[in-house]
Amino acid sequence: KQEVTQIPAALSVPEGENLVLNCSFTDSAIYNLQWFRQDPGKGLTSLLLIQSSQREQTSGRLNASLDKSSGRSTLYIAASQPGDSATYLCAARNSGNTPLVFGKGTRLSVIA
Amino acid sequence: KAGVTQTPRYLIKTRGQQVTLSCSPISGHRSVSWYQQTPGQGLQFLFEYFSETQRNKGNFPGRFSGRQFSNSRSEMNVSTLELGDSALYLCASSRDGSSGNTIYFGEGSWLTVV
Repeated sequence: KQEVTQIPAALSVPEGENLVLNCSFTDSAIYNLQWFRQDPGKGLTSLLLIQSSQREQTSGRLNASLDKSSGRSTLYIAASQPGDSATYLCAARNSGNTPLVFGKGTRLSVIA
Repeated sequence: KAGVTQTPRYLIKTRGQQVTLSCSPISGHRSVSWYQQTPGQGLQFLFEYFSETQRNKGNFPGRFSGRQFSNSRSEMNVSTLELGDSALYLCASSRDGSSGNTIYFGEGSWLTVV
């Protein structure tokens, strides 16, 4: 059974800093891994989707990597801004039509 | 185009009552999934519907049920509500639920059971 863990649960950084969010999963036979952002009281917004055959994906200031052998994914945020403050969740999918398994998220605060 | 719409956004129910939540997916999307989010357990998968058929089901008791209509709109029902059912219920839609499709979430329905 796939389990996804995100550590730390909360992180506070000053504006402008580059930062890395971590995600680990127990079953390396994943199909893909997604990173989402959730603002307080809101739904989730998909940020990046990495297929199992890929090593990384980039969108603007965001870069996500995937290392199946070690069961880890990272989300790199460059030049953080206060608007990046949110909870970031990663989710793993084990096969094409199986549901996403979510971590509990990392709550990021970027201080101006 | 319109996003995933969930109604109602907020509701308060009493223990023992039942509740029905509604989700309208993005036009053209045929897969609808439901998740429960609580501070302690995080996001947990409830069920997924595709073309009016339940395709996947999570580990929730039978008090939690759902259905999907021919227009892809979905409802979930929770009967005999318990205090522990208080949560944010999120609906997500995608074109066909396969891994290559982007999944879009609604803003959720906040359920408080008192």
